[in-house]
Amino acid sequence: GNSVTQMEGPVTLSEEAFLTINCTYTATGYPSLFWYVQYPGEGLQLLLKATKADDKGSNKGFEATYRKETTSFHLEKGSVQVSDSAVYFCALRLIQGAQKLVFGQGTRLTINP
Amino acid sequence: SAVISQKPSRDICQRGTSLTIQCQVDSQVTMMFWYRQQPGQSLTLIATANQGSEATYESGFVIDKFPISRPNLTFSTLTVSNMSPEDSSIYLCSTYGTGSYEQYFGPGTRLTVT
Repeated sequence: GNSVTQMEGPVTLSEEAFLTINCTYTATGYPSLFWYVQYPGEGLQLLLKATKADDKGSNKGFEATYRKETTSFHLEKGSVQVSDSAVYFCALRLIQGAQKLVFGQGTRLTINP
Repeated sequence: SAVISQKPSRDICQRGTSLTIQCQVDSQVTMMFWYRQQPGQSLTLIATANQGSEATYESGFVIDKFPISRPNLTFSTLTVSNMSPEDSSIYLCSTYGTGSYEQYFGPGTRLTVT
């Protein structure tokens, strides 16, 4: 089946630290990959996406590269800020079939000043 | 893109009652999705609603408990029926942007059942 596995949280870092949140996937077809972010008390927002192998999605200083050989889509940021504190969700969507999003379990990130 | 609004934003309901959540999109869309996010958990798809056809429910969700309406291409409702405390969750409406791979979400409805 199709599934997404994220690194276990919660993750706590100091401001300006380097961030990596691991995400790996299993898919029966060729998926598009996404990172969503949920700030405290808010809805889900699309952070970045990649639709084919070796694509790099980027937004707000965050980056993730679609690695087909390792079935991974790790989220990185070189220098985090307190305002990055949120829950991050990795997700996939198959191009064919039901086209529904499959989410990972989410990783709660807290950045301390 | 797609701008999605939901009503109500939150509610506190008594056990055994029902609540209908409304979802409005700012453009015509084919597919609309309803998700549930239980406290501290990830999102789980409840059903997919296409205009003019019956909603398709995911495993573990049934129409009697979560009836859905899709009367036109910009609007949908989800009813949570005969509620119990286990239904306390955030319910989110979602759709694709026009001609886009990107899926957008409403702000969610935070439901607490006492």
